This record gives sequence, structure tokens and C-alpha cells, in this order.
Amino acid sequence: DQQVKQNSPSLSVQEGRISILNCDYTNSMFDYFLWYKKYPAEGPTFLISISSIKDKNEDGRFTVFLNKSAKHLSLHIVPSQPGDSAVYFCAATPNSNSGYALNFGKGTSLLVTP
Amino acid sequence: KAGVTQTPRYLIKTRGQQVTLSCSPISGHRSVSWYQQTPGQGLQFLFEYFSETQRNKGNFPGRFSGRQFSNSRSEMNVSTLELGDSALYLCASSLTELSFGSGTRLTVV
Repeated sequence: DQQVKQNSPSLSVQEGRISILNCDYTNSMFDYFLWYKKYPAEGPTFLISISSIKDKNEDGRFTVFLNKSAKHLSLHIVPSQPGDSAVYFCAATPNSNSGYALNFGKGTSLLVTP
Repeated sequence: KAGVTQTPRYLIKTRGQQVTLSCSPISGHRSVSWYQQTPGQGLQFLFEYFSETQRNKGNFPGRFSGRQFSNSRSEMNVSTLELGDSALYLCASSLTELSFGSGTRLTVV
């Protein structure tokens, strides 16, 4: 069963606007969340993470918000750039100190148009 | 610093055969994980090794196995290949966050 869900397979945004990618999870044991970006023919690259003790983490143009009560997180990209066009994966794990067994969503393909 | 290296990049095998994929982690990384990516299921965790010991295991049949060597290099093996094993197999190493290789594209015919 899919414990991490990204319900939007694709998203198209104009350059300069905000991109919002959403992710829902079902396992209440998850306490560490990550976003990865993937270009074709490359492996995923780490973008940003958030621990369950926080509700927001920011890194440059990228901000991740976590709503634990709703079991929902979102990635905001402001402003969006054409180079941000990629597939974005949300991932979650029960404990960042017990090794890595990430549960990934199926990804959202973001297209940023000039 | 060299990234995670996976070999081979592409592989075509016949049903019933077995295959071994190789992964060299980033220097100094002792944890190596393997993931399977398919269009229908997305990225699914196979297993993780740390200091030559399997630390976590995903929900895959016993045909999927792996090992890690003393130099942290890892291999995964799939025996009795099925058509449904066609996928991109990704290896990742970590100190903190996972760093992925470019993957091995396996096609089973």
C-alpha cells in the first residue's frame, strides 16, 4: 500500500510564479520528510528536508511546510524557473537515525514555462 | 568528490536468468541502499546495508538479494528474472541524506 501519496502527477507553472507541490502520508510513525528532484536519465537529487518537530523549513527559493495533524506536506518554489522543470518526489521515513528506508510518492512532474 | 557509481547503465536479460548490479558509494559513506523505480509503483525500497550488514529490508521476494563489501561497495542480485522486474534500479549512499547514482536500466525480455 502506498503510504506516501502525491496526487498530482503533473503541474505546469509560469516562470516567476509560485509552484506548490503537495504530498500526503498515512503512516503516523513517519517523522522525517524529504523532497527529491529528478531529471531524466539521472538519479534523484536531494532538495530539502523537514523533521516532524518543525512545521517549516526554508532553503533559498525552496520551502517545505509540514502539517502533522493533516499528515500533509507541501513544497513551495518561489520564484519558479525553467530549470526547475523536473519530477519531484516526496519521501518519508519513521526515524532518521535508524537507517534509510524511505517511502517515496510516485512523483509530480513540474513544467515551468517561460 | 566522485558521486555514486552504478554499473552497468543498461542491461537486457531473458526471463529466468539472473543478474548482478554493482554500486560504488561516495567515498566515506558506509550506508548503501537500493531502490526499484517503475512507472506504476514509483520508487520502492529494496534494502539497505551498513558496514556489510543488512540493516533494513523492503517488501520484495527472496529473488532479490544484496550484499556489501568491506570497502562499502555493494551488489544486488535478482535471480529467476521475471518480465515485471524490468525497472530502473537505483543505488544510494548516505552520511545524512541519500545521494543517488544514475541507476541501472534493466530490461527483461
